[in-house]
Amino acid sequence: QQQVKQSPQSLIVQKGGISIINCAYENTAFDYFPWYQQFPGKGPALLIAIRPDVSEKKEGRFTISFNKSAKQFSLHIMDSQPGDSATYFCAASIRVRVGRGSTLGRLYFGRGTQLTVWP
Amino acid sequence: GAVVSQHPSWVICKSGTSVKIECRSLDFQATTMFWYRQFPKQSLMLMATSNEGSKATYEQGVEKDKFLINHASLTLSTLTVTSAHPEDSSFYICSARGPSAGGVDTQYFGPGTRLTVL
Repeated sequence: QQQVKQSPQSLIVQKGGISIINCAYENTAFDYFPWYQQFPGKGPALLIAIRPDVSEKKEGRFTISFNKSAKQFSLHIMDSQPGDSATYFCAASIRVRVGRGSTLGRLYFGRGTQLTVWP
Repeated sequence: GAVVSQHPSWVICKSGTSVKIECRSLDFQATTMFWYRQFPKQSLMLMATSNEGSKATYEQGVEKDKFLINHASLTLSTLTVTSAHPEDSSFYICSARGPSAGGVDTQYFGPGTRLTVL
């Protein structure tokens, strides 16, 4: 069962346009929502993240919008550039117990969105 | 800061041999590291969580005797694929639990290792 649903699977945007990727979840125990950017043959890199007590977070051209009641969150890339062409993954983190009273965040990833920005 | 390296970046081996992949946190100590597997154009699937000095916790369906994980120090975890077969060919990515970002513990990912089993 896919814990985090991501759409669209692929996205083509013209240079300067806005790229929007959406994700949805069901488990209200998720407490941290990061977005990762991955280039071919490379590992994912943390792009931006948000906690559920915040409705929006902006870092440069990247903005996360978070709707807690709808259990949805989205990534907006303003002024999209060819260098933004990559695969983007949304994720959700849930605390899991690891013994001796400690917990850590376990990530569940969406299926990914392949973004292509045309020059 | 918070850099994670993997070695090798790619490896080709014959069916039946074993392959070891190293994951290192370069500028921080990581008590917990994670191993993921990614098939082409697919998402990351968590294989196991390794904690320094203790046995790894494997996800359901992952054979612990096939994918041996050792987290011997606070900066090194290794994944050994034993008796590799072509179906084990994949992109293996590790991550390390690193310095918190905004009060939340954050995973920092390595660059991945492409394993091809002939």
